[in-house]
Amino acid sequence: KQEVTQIPAALSVPEGENLVLNCSFTDSAIYNLQWFRQDPGKGLTSLLLIQSSQREQTSGRLNASLDKSSGRSTLYIAASQPGDSATYLCAVQTGANNLFFGTGTRLTVIP
Amino acid sequence: NAGVTQTPKFQVLKTGQSMTLQCAQDMNHEYMSWYRQDPGMGLRLIHYSVGAGITDQGEVPNGYNVSRSTTEDFPLRLLSAAPSQTSVYFCASSLISRGFNTEAFFGQGTRLTVV
Repeated sequence: KQEVTQIPAALSVPEGENLVLNCSFTDSAIYNLQWFRQDPGKGLTSLLLIQSSQREQTSGRLNASLDKSSGRSTLYIAASQPGDSATYLCAVQTGANNLFFGTGTRLTVIP
Repeated sequence: NAGVTQTPKFQVLKTGQSMTLQCAQDMNHEYMSWYRQDPGMGLRLIHYSVGAGITDQGEVPNGYNVSRSTTEDFPLRLLSAAPSQTSVYFCASSLISRGFNTEAFFGQGTRLTVV
């Protein structure tokens, strides 16, 4: 069974700092990996989707990388802002079209 | 653009009661799914559907039923609520392209408490 791990569970940084969130998965036979953002009491919002054949995707201040062979992905957030405070979840898609989620990293950006 | 709509947002049930959580999407997505989110455990898949008339079990299907009579709707039924089903439930949908799911869209969630 696919296991997805996110470390650290929580992270606090001062505003303006660049930061990296980590995601690892046990089975490299994935079709894509998605990063989501979840605000308290809200649903999930998709940030980036990386196909298994891709190495990275960028959207604004966000950059996600994927190393399928080592079972790792990182989400890089540049010049963090208080509005970036949220829980960030990664999920991998397997052959059954289903997503396996990590437990998330709760990010706090301090003004 | 409504996206994925879940109702109700909050619900309290007594043990043994049944209820249906509603999910509707207006994006003509083939794939729909239900997850539950519990503290420290991440989201776990309950049931999913790849099209009208087709459903299948996910990781934690016991105690739940689903049906998919239309592309738009994917209701989740709790047959006899138990305290262990206290959780936040999310519905999600996505297109299927070349056999794989694309970007997933989530509803706002239903917070269910079973007493």
